[in-house]
Amino acid sequence: ETGVTQSPTHLIKTRGQQVTLRCSSQSGHNTVSWYQQALGQGPQFIFQYYREEENGRGNFPPRFSGLQFPNYSSELNVNALELDDSALYLCASSLGTETDTQYFGPGTRLTVL
Amino acid sequence: GESVGLHLPTLSVQEGDNSIINCAYSNSASDYFIWYKQESGKGPQFIIDIRSNMDKRQGQRVTVLLNKTVKHLSLQIAATQPGDSAVYFCAENIAGGSYIPTFGRGTSLIVHP
Repeated sequence: ETGVTQSPTHLIKTRGQQVTLRCSSQSGHNTVSWYQQALGQGPQFIFQYYREEENGRGNFPPRFSGLQFPNYSSELNVNALELDDSALYLCASSLGTETDTQYFGPGTRLTVL
Repeated sequence: GESVGLHLPTLSVQEGDNSIINCAYSNSASDYFIWYKQESGKGPQFIIDIRSNMDKRQGQRVTVLLNKTVKHLSLQIAATQPGDSAVYFCAENIAGGSYIPTFGRGTSLIVHP
């Protein structure tokens, strides 16, 4: 186990709804990265937070937003859900933005109907 | 666009055999490469990494080879075990920025007892 936890484990939403996913980083880690993993694909980088500030963003629309809290836990919010948002959402924590190793959580499986 | 990709989507081997998983990359600016293992229902797990100033690195039962001339890297697993069955991803990171790896699609390794 990596010490990174995510909630909920599974979630079912309908198109147009909004969703919030949560991630608790490994103790001592101040950086959280979020990824979207479609079925049969590799994880795609959404964004990264370092000490409560966004530190990089992938090719995702603005309806994907996030937060990082003082305890370094993080949220991923997705507005106006689309069918293609159905995926496994992974968060990974690391110590600093240039460290080599990211520790991944088990993911949240989001299904949009 | 530049991308990381894998040659084979599925690799089947017998227990005890050596496994070789290949990966091609196209971004010449990448200087750091990582192999991840993802078991069903879990997030990716770091296996081994290699920097572009090296061409070989060994871990416990695993070896990564990097050929910068042809932009290719491979993961060799010695004496493959049933517990090695998983999807394996290579990822690349571009020099000079934050650690935000770009993942390839993945290869499914199936180990038959």
